[in-house]
Amino acid sequence: NAGVTQTPKFRILKIGQSMTLQCTQDMNHNYMYWYRQDPGMGLKLIYYSVGAGITDKGEVPNGYNVSRSTTEDFPLRLELAAPSQTSVYFCASSYGDQPQHFGDGTRLSIL
Amino acid sequence: GQQLNQSPQSMFIQEGEDVSMNCTSSSIFNTWLWYKQDPGEGPVLLIALYKAGELTSNGRLTAQFGITRKDSFLNISASIPSDVGIYFCAGQPTTPLVFGKGTRLSVIA
Repeated sequence: NAGVTQTPKFRILKIGQSMTLQCTQDMNHNYMYWYRQDPGMGLKLIYYSVGAGITDKGEVPNGYNVSRSTTEDFPLRLELAAPSQTSVYFCASSYGDQPQHFGDGTRLSIL
Repeated sequence: GQQLNQSPQSMFIQEGEDVSMNCTSSSIFNTWLWYKQDPGEGPVLLIALYKAGELTSNGRLTAQFGITRKDSFLNISASIPSDVGIYFCAGQPTTPLVFGKGTRLSVIA
């Protein structure tokens, strides 16, 4: 099993550009999450989803959008990239309230 | 929102020493989890705790769910160089998880 797969692994964006961070899981987990991790900091929840068609805001949702059209995929969209969004982004999934499994992250720099 | 206080923020220890770190919350949690993050990778689950007072081991790692349900402890015995990384506690009053800010562990050979 691949687990949680995130693409791309690295990306550099210019201010104002848009992009989608991809996340897919093959564990048939119903819950999926997006976090950001700033240097030396912990994980901050951006958005999460408890099932296809359902999404909820986390602690830091501003500047991001998500969709959950399938159980497997949970893409994160940045519409107008800003320097404050430079971070490492982690996707995670779980079966209900069971412990979360994380991907290896997408390192995003906005210049 | 919910907050977890994780301490210490960082530790420098000699290889072979034991390590202790802890997390406290202002509210009661139903689940406590401990994750480790290696450089350049995502967090990996080490230990999950589901019951107040529970003591669980995973090799040289031992974690406890505090009896007040507001704290948890992680101990690492006889540290080795590959223990280097960031250790996160996470708690669950309800979905989603709340994460601590992490303890950065450095092991000096």
